[in-house]
Amino acid sequence: NAGVTQTPKFQVLKTGQSMTLQCAQDMNHEYMSWYRQDPGMGLRLIHYSVGAGITDQGEVPNGYNVSRSTTEDFPLRLLSAAPSQTSVYFCASRSSWTGSYGYTFGSGTRLTVV
Amino acid sequence: GQQVMQIPQYQHVQEGEDFTTYCNSSTTLSNIQWYKQRPGGHPVFLIQLVKSGEVKKQKRLTFQFGEAKKNSSLHITATQTTDVGTYFCAGLPGNQFYFGTGTSLTVIP
Repeated sequence: NAGVTQTPKFQVLKTGQSMTLQCAQDMNHEYMSWYRQDPGMGLRLIHYSVGAGITDQGEVPNGYNVSRSTTEDFPLRLLSAAPSQTSVYFCASRSSWTGSYGYTFGSGTRLTVV
Repeated sequence: GQQVMQIPQYQHVQEGEDFTTYCNSSTTLSNIQWYKQRPGGHPVFLIQLVKSGEVKKQKRLTFQFGEAKKNSSLHITATQTTDVGTYFCAGLPGNQFYFGTGTSLTVIP
């Protein structure tokens, strides 16, 4: 199993550009989430999904959109990149079973907005 | 704002010393999870605690969940250089996990 796959691993954007960060999991997990990690801020939840067709906002959703058309894929769209969105982005998934293990994280995307 | 607070933010220890990180929430948590992130890597799940007062051990790591289910701790006995990394707690106050700010552990050989 590949687990959670994120692409690209690195990206540089100019202010105002848009892009999509890809995330795919092959574990049939219902729950998928996007986090951003900034120094001293921990992992902050951007958007999450509890199943195909269902998404909701997390702590810091402004400037980002998501969709969940399949169980496997959960792309994150930056609408108009800003320097404040420079960060490391992690996609994570987990099973909805309460006795299950925790999140499986992807390897992350390092995004720089200039 | 941050729903789960974690202290300290940084900790430097001599190899062989013990290390503890604390996680606190203002609200009752359904459960709490702990993760480790190696430098340059991604968070990796360590353990989940569910019951009030629960204590679990993984070799030199001891995890505790407070009686009121508002706090938790991770204690490492006799640290080794392989313990280097950032340790995160993640609490479930509702239907989503909120991560703490993390404790970065440096082990000096």
